[in-house]
Amino acid sequence: AQRVTQPEKLLSVFKGAPVELKCNYSYSGSPELFWYVQYSRQRLQLLLRHISRESIKGFTADLNKGETSFHLKKPFAQEEDSAMYYCALRGEDYKLSFGAGTTVTVRA
Amino acid sequence: GAGVSQSPRYKVAKRGQDVALRCDPISGHVSLFWYQQALGQGPEFLTYFQNEAQLDKSGLPSDRFFAERPEGSVSTLKIQRTQQEDSAVYLCASSAGLTNEQFFGPGTRLTVL
Repeated sequence: AQRVTQPEKLLSVFKGAPVELKCNYSYSGSPELFWYVQYSRQRLQLLLRHISRESIKGFTADLNKGETSFHLKKPFAQEEDSAMYYCALRGEDYKLSFGAGTTVTVRA
Repeated sequence: GAGVSQSPRYKVAKRGQDVALRCDPISGHVSLFWYQQALGQGPEFLTYFQNEAQLDKSGLPSDRFFAERPEGSVSTLKIQRTQQEDSAVYLCASSAGLTNEQFFGPGTRLTVL
């Protein structure tokens, strides 16, 4: 069985401060990890995936297989980063499993 | 171009009624996925199609749930004899292939009274 855990329901940071969203997973095979974001009144969209190793909107995430983690980081949060963030895992059966999500609020 | 669309956007049903939720994927996308998102939770997989073939329906919560995609394009998720626990947002996503990026629709919010 595959499982994704996001321990923080809510995260509040000041503009310009670093932000880190935690994600841990359990999966016996070789997973693919993603971060999805949902801005207010918008649909769910892909933010980044571990295999692309890109930095999107200043966010990065590194897959740590030893710790089974895929934490999302940004060194300087912006007000437009306020959103709901979901970590997701895709196993070899092509199904996406999502965490419960973290609501990020960036305060001025 | 147009993204994934879903209709209706909101649906209120009385307990015991049947409902049908529609998903129009991005043109040319062969893979189509359905998810259920309960309040305060992340989306949970229900089923997926490759063209018209339903390859996995292991996430459907009961035999009251049925999904189809007869021509490999539009898909319908049907829920028979709705129950209060069926209240959720139902999300549809499509992708060019099973390992490609999934693009999500806006969802249908179902409320069962």
